[in-house]
Amino acid sequence: QVQLEESGPGLVKPSETLSLTCTVSGGSFSPHYWSWIRQSPGKGLEYIGYVSHSGSSDYNPSLRSRVTISIDTAKNQFSLRLSSVTAADTAAYYCARVIWLGEVIYYYVLDVWGQGTTVIVSS
Amino acid sequence: DIQMTQSPSSLSASVGDRVTITCRASQSINRYLNWYQQKPGKAPKLLIYAASSLQSGVPSRFSGSGSGTDFALTISSLQPEDFATYYCQDSYITPWTFGQGTTVEVK
Repeated sequence: QVQLEESGPGLVKPSETLSLTCTVSGGSFSPHYWSWIRQSPGKGLEYIGYVSHSGSSDYNPSLRSRVTISIDTAKNQFSLRLSSVTAADTAAYYCARVIWLGEVIYYYVLDVWGQGTTVIVSS
Repeated sequence: DIQMTQSPSSLSASVGDRVTITCRASQSINRYLNWYQQKPGKAPKLLIYAASSLQSGVPSRFSGSGSGTDFALTISSLQPEDFATYYCQDSYITPWTFGQGTTVEVK
């Protein structure tokens, strides 16, 4: 049973860098993707990006200039860094596993999620 | 980006009711549509993928339909544990986008 758990500071100052880590237990990194999603009252659920087990990544264009998602398979962790944060980055941040389901055509799904961690951007 | 629009934004229903939530994509996404359920303080939970395929372990009272731009999630007989917020999500192309959510409340 794969489990994900987010960790990191709950309070970040404006203009600083938000850093979160997701620890994966009970499963293998390969061949899945590993994603970050955030949720705020103003913007709802927002895809931030994903990293593959081999380290390739995909980012939401709206955040691409500020975001890095990396993976450390030796530690069973993947991480999110979001630079130059503002109050608009205040949200609950979730890590999630991306798998593909189907028989002929494969469909990406977010099948396992962490419990989420709230990050507030404030001085 | 593909825009996902759900309706209604909220609805009131009673246990045993049949409930239908709709989701419209701003362009055709074939059947690349997932549905999630979220309860307060919890992470979303996958219910339906590929528009109509039931995720393992999800009760059969949940069903999905549609393709192209118009989709629906139906709960055939609402149970007490089904009062929650439901989101559609396109997985056709990144950035994957979510609908704004539909909250199912107790009538």
